[in-house]
Amino acid sequence: TQLLEQSPQFLSIQEGENLTVYCNSSSVFSSLQWYRQEPGEGPVLLVTVVTGGEVKKLKRLTFQFGDARKDSSLHITAAQPGDTGLYLCAGAFEETSGSRLTFGEGTQLTVNP
Amino acid sequence: DAGVIQSPRHEVTEMGQEVTLRCKPISGHNSLFWYRQTMMRGLELLIYFNNNVPIDDSGMPEDRFSAKMPNASFSTLKIQPSEPRDSAVYFCASSFSGGTGRNEQFFGPGTRLTVL
Repeated sequence: TQLLEQSPQFLSIQEGENLTVYCNSSSVFSSLQWYRQEPGEGPVLLVTVVTGGEVKKLKRLTFQFGDARKDSSLHITAAQPGDTGLYLCAGAFEETSGSRLTFGEGTQLTVNP
Repeated sequence: DAGVIQSPRHEVTEMGQEVTLRCKPISGHNSLFWYRQTMMRGLELLIYFNNNVPIDDSGMPEDRFSAKMPNASFSTLKIQPSEPRDSAVYFCASSFSGGTGRNEQFFGPGTRLTVL
């Protein structure tokens, strides 16, 4: 069974602080996505990474894909209350054919004003 | 584009009743996914279709659950008979599997199902 571990599960911080969320697996990803989900809505795609060592930035969010394509991180600089939500990583494993994704359990982020 | 459309947004029903959830994927997408999300189990893949054909239904809990995709623009997830433990938010997602390997999925707003 291919597992995708996400940490931490919960994170509560003050506005202005920095944070990092991690996504790890023992298997190689062909691609990996990060999603954010707000209450009452579906997950919204933030970014896709496909190349080992790739770094992508989306305003205050920085996404890194590990060189071996087995792990990824999401770093938020100067967090704001609007960043509050459930962050999900999801990967397509190289060993698996088809278009399915395996989702992590998510990181519930709360940014307090 | 309107995005993935799901209906109804909320459904409250009594145990034993039949429930049908509906999904319209993004036009041009050729893969469709049904997920269930609960606090305890997170986001679980129930079944997915590629070019209207069911590819993997190993996540379907039991025979009470069934899904169909009669054409490229419509899918249903049916629960018959429903039970209280089926209460959850059900999401439909679609993607274009064109060999790029990006596997990006786009989610609908979900259907919140409550079975009393």
